[in-house]
Amino acid sequence: DIQMTQSPSTLSASLGDSVTITCRASQSVSVWLAWYQQKPGKAPKLLIYKASDLQSGVPSRFSGSGSGTEFTLTISSLQADDFATYYCQQYKTYWTFGQGTTVEI
Amino acid sequence: EVQLAESGGGLVQPGGSLRLSCAASGFIFSSYDMHWVRQIRGKGLEWVSGIGTAADTHYPDSVKGRFIISRENAKNSLFLQINSLRAGDTAVYYCVRAYFSGFGDLNDHYHMDVWGKGTTVTVSS
Repeated sequence: DIQMTQSPSTLSASLGDSVTITCRASQSVSVWLAWYQQKPGKAPKLLIYKASDLQSGVPSRFSGSGSGTEFTLTISSLQADDFATYYCQQYKTYWTFGQGTTVEI
Repeated sequence: EVQLAESGGGLVQPGGSLRLSCAASGFIFSSYDMHWVRQIRGKGLEWVSGIGTAADTHYPDSVKGRFIISRENAKNSLFLQINSLRAGDTAVYYCVRAYFSGFGDLNDHYHMDVWGKGTTVTVSS
């Protein structure tokens, strides 16, 4: 099984900050990596797929990069609506998620 | 508008069974692979089953033999039968659509693009 590890688990930031979340895979997943945002009591929302492709309707302040085993999600100029938990997910072999990173004020 | 609406969750005793349903609308249901993903309260996300357009099914080892995913394209519906329920199955279960992401390593790859709001399953005596 492919294991996904995110860091940090929690990230404290302020409005307007640029933040980066890292996701590492236990083996290469090529570019088959997605990022999701989840707010309390809500379903996850797709932000990025294929490591760096922005889902339609997602603000351009979200960006993804990486390939192989190391990936990053960057949020430039944090907005109030961005405080949430973020998950990475590999879909090279079945589907597994990282443990999540909570972005808090 | 593309929508997924789960139902069928509730309180079940350990050892019991439950059938979850998902009603799809706003897209050609029969053309998409579908999945169930669960989330234990306050914890992360776990993929628990998937079904292709040809009704081929996939499960992680953690639920194989107890979970059965199925679909009824004529009714735009997805189902998850959960047997021998355990306390560890207590979670919110999401119905999720898969979307073709690309081809590589001799395989097609699909990310999850549309999620329902979820239905809660509680296993307790």
